[in-house]
Amino acid sequence: AQSVAQPEDQVNVAEGNPLTVKCTYSVSGNPYLFWYVQYPNRGLQFLLKYITGDNLVKGSYGFEAEFNKSQTSFHLKKPSALVSDSALYFCAVRDTGTYKYIFGTGTRLKVLA
Amino acid sequence: ETGVTQTPRHLVMGMTNKKSLKCEQHLGHNAMYWYKQSAKKPLELMFVYSLEERVENNSVPSRFSPECPNSSHLFLHLHTLQPEDSALYLCASSQETQGAGGYTFGSGTRLTVV
Repeated sequence: AQSVAQPEDQVNVAEGNPLTVKCTYSVSGNPYLFWYVQYPNRGLQFLLKYITGDNLVKGSYGFEAEFNKSQTSFHLKKPSALVSDSALYFCAVRDTGTYKYIFGTGTRLKVLA
Repeated sequence: ETGVTQTPRHLVMGMTNKKSLKCEQHLGHNAMYWYKQSAKKPLELMFVYSLEERVENNSVPSRFSPECPNSSHLFLHLHTLQPEDSALYLCASSQETQGAGGYTFGSGTRLTVV
């Protein structure tokens, strides 16, 4: 069965430091992978996706993610964190053969000033 | 605004009330979804509509009743809810060809059942 895991409930990072939010997946076939961000009392906003092509995907607000097929991972990264990046981040994978997405449990990112 | 609008933003209802949540999208998408987001739980897919037909109902209690009158509108009718139904209800839409497009979410309706 398809699944996605976000092993960290919360990640704390100092402003200006690089950040990584982890995601691993399990799918049959080629994965379609997504990252979404949720600010308080808002819906989820699309950040970036990997469908095919370069393993390093660039997205909104300076975020990027690296697709690693051998490690079945799709970690979200940013070279220099901002306090305004503090939010809840969700990784998602397409359920193979459908257009539904399976979401991870979310990782709360806290950037400290 | 993302292109998906949900109303109301907040709703407080008693267990005997009947209310409806509304979702509207003008993105030309052909699939719409209802998700439930509870604290410290994964997002729960409730209903999926594709081309205005319900294609999935993930074992949701009958006190939740969806309606999709056209490709731009989606409703969630609520009746005799329980306190554990309090949550953020998210609507999303997508243009479904190969599932590569991703979802566009609304801002959600924060529901409190008292």
